[in-house]
Amino acid sequence: DIVLTQSPDSLTVSLGERATVNCRSSQSLLYSINNKNCLNWYQQRPGLPPKLLISWASTRESGVPDRFSGSESGTDFTLTISSMEAEDVAVYYCQQCLGTPITFGQGTRLEIK
Amino acid sequence: VQLVESGGGLVQSGGSLTLSCGVSGFRIGDHYVDWVRQAPGEGLEWVGRVGVTGKNYITEYGASVRGRFTISRDVSRNSVYLQMTSLKTGDTAVYFCVREVFGIGVTYDSWGQGAPVTVSS
Repeated sequence: DIVLTQSPDSLTVSLGERATVNCRSSQSLLYSINNKNCLNWYQQRPGLPPKLLISWASTRESGVPDRFSGSESGTDFTLTISSMEAEDVAVYYCQQCLGTPITFGQGTRLEIK
Repeated sequence: VQLVESGGGLVQSGGSLTLSCGVSGFRIGDHYVDWVRQAPGEGLEWVGRVGVTGKNYITEYGASVRGRFTISRDVSRNSVYLQMTSLKTGDTAVYFCVREVFGIGVTYDSWGQGAPVTVSS
């Protein structure tokens, strides 16, 4: 199974500051059909189901604010919030979409300082 | 697009429970539908999926539930089901019904609100 390890487990950031969440995969997530990494990011606000933010490592979903961005380097992936807002308080999960069994990172809790 | 889970509740260890996922806004025949669970205070765990690839009806399961859980679907009712047997206290979780984006990869673009399942000892 593909193991995804997120860091840090929790993060406290001031409003307007940058937040960075990392996700490392135990193996390549490169999808041979399109030569893209199959890695998604979800946001789960308290009491709500997860919401898809970014797919294929760096493609922002429609309606997601442009302060959210995804980047990649080999088997390391990063979710960046350029300027923290109050509504960004949530747990963030990465997920590999390459194949079953589908696996998620353990989650990173983001709070306001 | 809407997915609505029902059938959650309290069950004793060793018992059975079936969750339903009623879908509107898309045809389940056109998408894989998965179940993902979340234990209290914990992260997300993939339970399994149902769909069709080519002419093949596909069901797949995570290791922790394989042999105990069965996922099925009724295209005429546009609903997906999760039959859970031999339940353990470790199965206590909120169970989400989720839609996979059509195409390559397994990406979840729509989630239900979740059905809570509590397994007591």
